[in-house]
Amino acid sequence: QVQLLQSGAAVKKPGASVRVSCKASGYTFTSFAFTWVRQAPGQGLEWMGWISAYNGNTNYTLQLQDRVTMTTDTSTHTAYMELRGLRSDDTAVYYCARVQGYGNNWPIDYWGQGTLVTVSS
Amino acid sequence: DIQMTQSPSSLSASVGDRVTITCRASQDIDFYVTWFQQKPGKAPKSLIFAASSLQSGVPSKFSGSGSGTDFSLTISSLQPEDFATYYCQQYHTYPYTFGPGTKVEIK
Repeated sequence: QVQLLQSGAAVKKPGASVRVSCKASGYTFTSFAFTWVRQAPGQGLEWMGWISAYNGNTNYTLQLQDRVTMTTDTSTHTAYMELRGLRSDDTAVYYCARVQGYGNNWPIDYWGQGTLVTVSS
Repeated sequence: DIQMTQSPSSLSASVGDRVTITCRASQDIDFYVTWFQQKPGKAPKSLIFAASSLQSGVPSKFSGSGSGTDFSLTISSLQPEDFATYYCQQYHTYPYTFGPGTKVEIK
């Protein structure tokens, strides 16, 4: 069965960086893509970006593109999201999610359990 | 960016009720809409993709419809486990934006 297991919660100071991992199992890793979604406390879902596990192509939301990097490691079947220059409004639960294909215009089908990132001085 | 709106923002309903949530896109997105259910403190769960196709394992009481700019999610007979927040998302054009959510509460 498809499983996405994310790394644990993190507390960071303003200006620091965080890297969240998402280890996939139960399917052929390179046949799909990942998207990263975050949810601030009490708020809705925010799409952050997408990465193809097939060829590493990415697409980031404009609001984060200067601070975010998404990567995949095909040897360990793990996706990563790094966010730099953390601010207090980056405090959120960060989700990885599998996308049903490795190209564009595919929907999400499976979600990780979420990783709480708290930014506080 | 494509804006997604949902209505209502919240609703109260009773067990057994038929509930419909609507989602509107700011431009034509064909059938590229997906719906999610999220319960408090949990990750979202995928329900519907391509506007009307059920994800694997999702009960048939959930159905979706629409194309172009107007979409809907219907729960045919609300059960206690269906009380949650529901989000639509477009995956036609980057960034793949979400609607603000509709909270379904117990009357």
